[in-house]
Amino acid sequence: AQRVTQPEKLLSVFKGAPVELKCNYSYSGSPELFWYVQYSRQRLQLLLRHISRESIKGFTADLNKGETSFHLKKPFAQEEDSAMYYCALSGQTGNQFYFGTGTSLTVIP
Amino acid sequence: DTGVSQDPRHKITKRGQNVTFRCDPISEHNRLYWYRQTLGQGPEFLTYFQNEAQLEKSRLLSDRFSAERPKGSFSTLEIQRTEQGDSAMYLCASSRDRLSHYGYTFGSGTRLTVV
Repeated sequence: AQRVTQPEKLLSVFKGAPVELKCNYSYSGSPELFWYVQYSRQRLQLLLRHISRESIKGFTADLNKGETSFHLKKPFAQEEDSAMYYCALSGQTGNQFYFGTGTSLTVIP
Repeated sequence: DTGVSQDPRHKITKRGQNVTFRCDPISEHNRLYWYRQTLGQGPEFLTYFQNEAQLEKSRLLSDRFSAERPKGSFSTLEIQRTEQGDSAMYLCASSRDRLSHYGYTFGSGTRLTVV
């Protein structure tokens, strides 16, 4: 069965410190992984996709099929990074996402 | 185009009443999705349309739930005989093609409270 696990509900880091938000998944085929972000009082929005191998707002994520992980990383956290982050998996049909329960990141000034 | 629009933003209803939500997707997006999000959880898939055809429904979508997209543009989600467990944020999203290429564009959601 498809499953996305985000083990940390809450994560606090100091400004300028590195941050890593963990995401593990379970999927029998070849998944496509995404990170979504929701800033306070805003709608859920796409942050990055593993297929594009991009860096958005200084964030990167590498798909590790051996460890079935897709952790989100940023070397130097900024206050504006404080938000709710959701890891999501799309299966081979591409018709829906399976979301994790989210991690609330707080960057302390 | 201002993105995906959902109406109303908030709905409070008494248990047993029927409610209907509307979603207007981005105009060039042919795919439309409904999700439900309860407190402390990520969004959960409810159903998906490609143009006017409803192609997939989750087991979460009980017989009290129905969704339509009559002309392949806006969509409605109706919940009949609401229960307190239906209290949640109902999210609509749209995409242009296979979501793996573009991801979704989400609306702001309709927050339903059943009292």
